[in-house]
Amino acid sequence: KAGVTQTPRYLIKTRGQQVTLSCSPISGHRSVSWYQQTPGQGLQFLFEYFSETQRNKGNFPGRFSGRQFSNSRSEMNVSTLELGDSALYLCASSPDGGEKLFFGSGTQLSVL
Amino acid sequence: GDSVTQMEGPVTLSEEAFLTINCTYTATGYPSLFWYVQYPGEGLQLLLKATKADDKGSNKGFEATYRKETTSFHLEKGSVQVSDSAVYFCAPNYNNDMRFGAGTRLTVKP
Repeated sequence: KAGVTQTPRYLIKTRGQQVTLSCSPISGHRSVSWYQQTPGQGLQFLFEYFSETQRNKGNFPGRFSGRQFSNSRSEMNVSTLELGDSALYLCASSPDGGEKLFFGSGTQLSVL
Repeated sequence: GDSVTQMEGPVTLSEEAFLTINCTYTATGYPSLFWYVQYPGEGLQLLLKATKADDKGSNKGFEATYRKETTSFHLEKGSVQVSDSAVYFCAPNYNNDMRFGAGTRLTVKP
């Protein structure tokens, strides 16, 4: 069974640009969560999608958005990038949300 | 709000030393408790979990006991190996809302 796949693995953008990150969950998993990981703030929850609906949301500005498709694949979008958005973005899937998360290797975003 | 406090790192130990990484949580309810591990260049992996008071989670020689009276879930291992070098995250799950601690980096030297 393939694991959680995140693309791209690395990304370099400049301030003001926007970016879209992709996550393919484990087959059969309907819940996808996104986290931002930085050395200073640790792992912070962005949002969770379940069956194409956003079910939980963390405390991030509206520049951070996401969506989930009918095949459970999810995308995360960040608009008007800021230097502070530089981070490792991790996606995690689970069969029904919450209890046991399976993480991808992440997308390392650098904003210059 | 609900939160988790984890022992700050980095922690450096010699092979075969005893490991303890402290974790305490605050909650109005009874969260399930998890430890996740992140090896270099990888995403997080579930290490162990406990779902109710006095439960002990264990995996790969690591153990943690759900202590409701002290709201703690300390991670322990009797004899660490170089391959245990990683970042460890304590994570209470509040009604399907998983919160992660800041992470503790462990380095084990031969």
